[in-house]
Amino acid sequence: DVKVTQSSRYLVKRTGEKVFLECVQDMDHENMFWYRQDPGLGLRLIYFSYDVKMKEKGDIPEGYSVSREKKERFSLILESASTNQTSMYLCASRLGTGSYNEQFFGPGTRLTVL
Amino acid sequence: TQLLEQSPQFLSIQEGENLTVYCNSSSVFSSLQWYRQEPGEGPVLLVTVVTGGEVKKLKRLTFQFGDARKDSSLHITAAQPGDTGLYLCAGSNYQLIWGAGTKLIIKP
Repeated sequence: DVKVTQSSRYLVKRTGEKVFLECVQDMDHENMFWYRQDPGLGLRLIYFSYDVKMKEKGDIPEGYSVSREKKERFSLILESASTNQTSMYLCASRLGTGSYNEQFFGPGTRLTVL
Repeated sequence: TQLLEQSPQFLSIQEGENLTVYCNSSSVFSSLQWYRQEPGEGPVLLVTVVTGGEVKKLKRLTFQFGDARKDSSLHITAAQPGDTGLYLCAGSNYQLIWGAGTKLIIKP
């Protein structure tokens, strides 16, 4: 059974803290994605990665960075958390480069920044 | 900027009723996916439609891709409480363009 896991289901941080969100997939997928999900806005792409050490900006990269040192792991970093980064963060992985291929999602991390 | 508009945003109906969710864009997509997301979980793929005019059925769910590949619909027949969830459409070109979602509640 394919699996994408995220390090935390719920996280509460203070403004200005550095925050790490970890995502691990066991499917040997090349592509991994970080989204944030806010009510009424759907999924917005923050960053994605086609391969180890490769990363590309999505639609809303400001305030975020990513790291992919190993194929199975994709980390999202909030350098200095702000209240407007309170959101649900979803990680996904996908086999191959075709955007029509299925994306497999983790359960999400609900981050609250106080 | 490519946009994908979903309607309605929220729908609450009784068990046994039929419903349709729409996904519209001014852009042409090479394919379109529908996902369902249950509370506390990530989205899960239901179907991918590729050809203009294509119709796919998944038990009581019928998915249609518009002839011009700019729009899609999801029709649920005789809705059941287990259909409750957030339904998301996503149009595909270079990357996926996501709709805002339709929150569906089916009351017993």
